[in-house]
Parts: sequence; C-alpha cells; structure tokens
Amino acid sequence: EVQLLESGGGLVQPGGSLRLSCAASGFTFNKYAMNWVRQAPGKGLEWVSRISGGGAGTNYADSVKGRFTISRDNSKNTMSLQMNSLRADDTAVYYCAKARDYDAWHFDSWGQGTLVTVSS
Amino acid sequence: DIQMTQSPSSLSASVGDRVTVTCRAGQSITTNLNWYQQKPGKAPKLLIYAASTLQSGVPSRFSGSGSGTDFALTISSLQPEDFATYYCQQSYSAPLAFGGGTKVEIK
Repeated sequence: EVQLLESGGGLVQPGGSLRLSCAASGFTFNKYAMNWVRQAPGKGLEWVSRISGGGAGTNYADSVKGRFTISRDNSKNTMSLQMNSLRADDTAVYYCAKARDYDAWHFDSWGQGTLVTVSS
Repeated sequence: DIQMTQSPSSLSASVGDRVTVTCRAGQSITTNLNWYQQKPGKAPKLLIYAASTLQSGVPSRFSGSGSGTDFALTISSLQPEDFATYYCQQSYSAPLAFGGGTKVEIK
C-alpha cells in the first residue's frame, strides 16, 4: 500500500523559511515523479512543483519560482520542499502527490497534507 | 500558461440524478485532462485520467469525455458518497493547472 507522510509544516513569519518533507513507502520510489500541491484555506488546488524520478528534472509554478526548491533523496525515499521568502499567500495545506506512472503528470496517491501558516 | 475553467462552480442535485461538470482549457490539451474528487478535510482522489480512463477502484457511474479544449465529468446516478468537490487538471504542459472546482451539494 502506498503511503505518503508529510511533515515540517507550522507557523512562520513573512520572509521566513520552512522545509517540508514527504516520506514515501509501499512503492519503488525512484521510479516515479513526485509533486507538491497546495490548497489555501477554503480555496482550490494549486500545483506547486514536480521532480522527476531520478531527481534531475524539476518544474515550478510561477508563483514559487526562485523562492522554493524541490529535492529528493532516493536512498531514503524522501522528498523535500525548501521554502524561502515566505509570504502570506503561501499559507496553505501542502500535499505531496505521487505521479501515477513513471513520467505521468497526474497524481494517483496523496499524503494527508501539512499546514503552513505565514503570519506575523 | 494554460488556464482551466470549470462550470458550474456549484450545483445542487438529488440522489439518483445524472450530473455533468464541464471543464474548458485555454488552448488544446488533446486528452491530457484528469479529474479528482475531494471531500472536506481529505486529500484529493484521482477519478479519471487521460480524459476518459477510469482509475482503478473508481465506480463505473463516473465517466469522462472530451478532447482538445472541452471536457466533461458525468456521474450517471449520484450516490450519497459522491457529494464532494470535483477538480479538473491539465497535464499537457508545465506549469500544471487545476480548474477552480465544482462543489456538488445535496438538494
């Protein structure tokens, strides 16, 4: 059974930094691209970032480009999102999501989410 | 960037009704369109990918159609567990994008 467990969320001041992690199990981690998707309180879904199975390929939403960095450690089955220069509009539940197939750009498994609150 | 527009933003329906949600892309995305269901406080769940392929384990009352710019999600006979918010998502090109969502409520 695929399991994705996010951690690292919390309260941070504007301009601050936070690092989210996603621990994966139940599948061959390095065979699948992984993503971060967020959802602001009461709002819809917003794709944030994607990293290929090997880690060489990354993509970002325009809203986070230059501030967020996605990475993965295939030896530990973990993915991370380093978030810098945080703003109030980054406040959201952040989900990690597994690509359905090796090179797919849709998501068949999701974690339970971790809440990031940016506020002074 | 490709914009995704869903309609309606909400609808009220009764158990047993046939329900259709539409999604329009700002440019052709061929069949690179996916549908998710989300219930309050829960993570989204993949229902349909590649416009019309049912994800494993999803009931057959859900179906998807369309190509190019216009797509639809149909629930043939609405069940109590189907009351939720539905999102479309384009997987044609980065940056990926979701539609604004359609909330299906009980009439």
